Amino acid sequence: GAVVSQHPSWVICKSGTSVKIECRSLDFQATTMFWYRQFPKQSLMLMATSNEGSKATYEQGVEKDKFLINHASLTLSTLTVTSAHPEDSSFYICSAYTGPGQPQHFGDGTRLSIL
Amino acid sequence: QKEVEQDPGPLSVPEGAIVSLNCTYSNSAFQYFMWYRQYSRKGPELLMYTYSSGNKEDGRFTAQVDKSSKYISLFIRDSQPSDSATYLCAIGSNYKLTFGKGTLLTVNP
Repeated sequence: GAVVSQHPSWVICKSGTSVKIECRSLDFQATTMFWYRQFPKQSLMLMATSNEGSKATYEQGVEKDKFLINHASLTLSTLTVTSAHPEDSSFYICSAYTGPGQPQHFGDGTRLSIL
Repeated sequence: QKEVEQDPGPLSVPEGAIVSLNCTYSNSAFQYFMWYRQYSRKGPELLMYTYSSGNKEDGRFTAQVDKSSKYISLFIRDSQPSDSATYLCAIGSNYKLTFGKGTLLTVNP
């Protein structure tokens, strides 16, 4: 149980393109989902917390207009990187849990490469 | 001082060895403790989860928490080449997790 699916796994696109990444909880309802960014050989950095039906909470230094998050249902959250540039190239990972104090379960990540 | 400190390694051991991975943390408000394993270009996979001091065992893995010293450990017995991965400690309060940098482990056949 507790499977989180993330799509796409890898995307390459031109600078200026907007890219949408989907995160789904397959066998449980996720009240909250999280979006992380990971650079090579670095740990996970929390970007934002998304709660179903409400606005996402962004971490300090994360541009909310750049990284749009929508959590329209208890099983789906999306991250859209708008007008992506090469410096946005990274590994983006989502996670989900059923409530505070419960472990987070992670998707397999999306490798984003902006040319 | 960072909230969670973890030695990044790398750590290289022979097959069958006992592996000890450690993290320290600074915030006594942290309430729960997890260990994740991450293979290259994959998302982290939950290995162990606990919220109390003491030991928790699951197969070849033992998680140890010492809240008084703000120190957590993961022990891997009879290590296998398939255990080669990055191990991340994650410590949380309320809903947020703070991750260590991860320790890269290689188990050599």
